[in-house]
Amino acid sequence: AQKITQTQPGMFVQEKEAVTLDCTYDTSDPSYGLFWYKQPSSGEMIFLIYQGSYDQQNATEGRYSLNFQKARKSANLVISASQLGDSAMYFCAMREDSRQKLVFGQGTRLTINP
Amino acid sequence: GAGVSQTPSNKVTEKGKYVELRCDPISGHTALYWYRQSLGQGPEFLIYFQGTGAADDSGLPNDRFFAVRPEGSVSTLKIQRTERGDSAVYLCASSLTWQAGELFFGEGSRLTVL
Repeated sequence: AQKITQTQPGMFVQEKEAVTLDCTYDTSDPSYGLFWYKQPSSGEMIFLIYQGSYDQQNATEGRYSLNFQKARKSANLVISASQLGDSAMYFCAMREDSRQKLVFGQGTRLTINP
Repeated sequence: GAGVSQTPSNKVTEKGKYVELRCDPISGHTALYWYRQSLGQGPEFLIYFQGTGAADDSGLPNDRFFAVRPEGSVSTLKIQRTERGDSAVYLCASSLTWQAGELFFGEGSRLTVL
């Protein structure tokens, strides 16, 4: 069954430090995609990064990178040089290509301290 | 703007009433998704449309919930005999196709059932 697990309900990090948000998933599909979204207190869902299951290299988008470890079924988000504006909820999500729907984890609340 | 538009942004209703929530996706996007998000939780999948048809309605909690997309663009989520437990933010998202990496989300409709 399609399942996403985020085990860190909250993370506190000093500004300018790097932070890793954990995400593990479970699927029997050989073809799937992994996503990270950011949701600030305003409520909008902001797409950050995508990794396909067959992609050979880890995805990167500016300060965001996805540490994809297929054998471990993990897709951790790494944010380098954190900024105060990074404080938000972060959601990991997965889409199995056979089912096409995007399923979200429970989220991690990230707080960046000055 | 050219983003996903949801109306109303806020809806307060009484228990037992009927409610309609509207989603206007990005023009040309064939895939449309409805999610429900309770406070502090990740978005919960409700239903996914590919064109006019509901490709996956496995997330609808019961037969009080129904959604349509008659012309393959605007979608309406309909909730009959509302209950207090239906109170949540209802999010709509669209993508060019289901294979496209990113889902674009609207700002949500906050439903409060008194």
